[in-house]
Amino acid sequence: KNEVEQSPQNLTAQEGEFITINCSYSVGISALHWLQQHPGGGIVSLFMLSSGKKKHGRLIATINIQEKHSSLHITASHPRDSAVYICAPFATNKLIFGTGTLLAVQP
Amino acid sequence: NAGVTQTPKFRILKIGQSMTLQCTQDMNHNYMYWYRQDPGMGLKLIYYSVGAGITDKGEVPNGYNVSRSTTEDFPLRLELAAPSQTSVYFCAIPGGVGRTGELFFGEGSRLTVL
Repeated sequence: KNEVEQSPQNLTAQEGEFITINCSYSVGISALHWLQQHPGGGIVSLFMLSSGKKKHGRLIATINIQEKHSSLHITASHPRDSAVYICAPFATNKLIFGTGTLLAVQP
Repeated sequence: NAGVTQTPKFRILKIGQSMTLQCTQDMNHNYMYWYRQDPGMGLKLIYYSVGAGITDKGEVPNGYNVSRSTTEDFPLRLELAAPSQTSVYFCAIPGGVGRTGELFFGEGSRLTVL
């Protein structure tokens, strides 16, 4: 079993829809990152969470450390949100990466 | 990507050749990481460093070597390139205060071994 599981693996949405991507992990962590990777390959850090909830524009990230679960929400989705979203818990000096969720937002 | 410079962006190697991927940061951070990303797979940790003179293996270190003689530089060396090392390589540092701050990634190096 992978230490980090993301769901769904692929997601297609219509512009304007509310999107949720889930991340479950099995190791003890001190923080968790959400990352975005566009088709060109560059990786951008969206959030770093150690508890609770963070919001940045249309993006919201939550984490429940006890339940070992985090979610990334996108409100009012837009085609420019199309990318791979990656969950990366931070444990013992190292990041562990999920395989990512490929999101396609259609106009 | 602010603070992390990774070179080269593209390289084609023949089997058995050697090369070094360069990673330089100007954020004076102790932690630096090298990852590889294969198609459809998550990033895998190759090596990491928690400070100058200190390195440690990640999940997939075989076929690679690293050094960390300065805080700024963390080169990754492939000694005898093999087709299995065809991948995209990323260097990363945590940019925030402490080791769990925002992450910064280099632009990636696409390596093909033929």
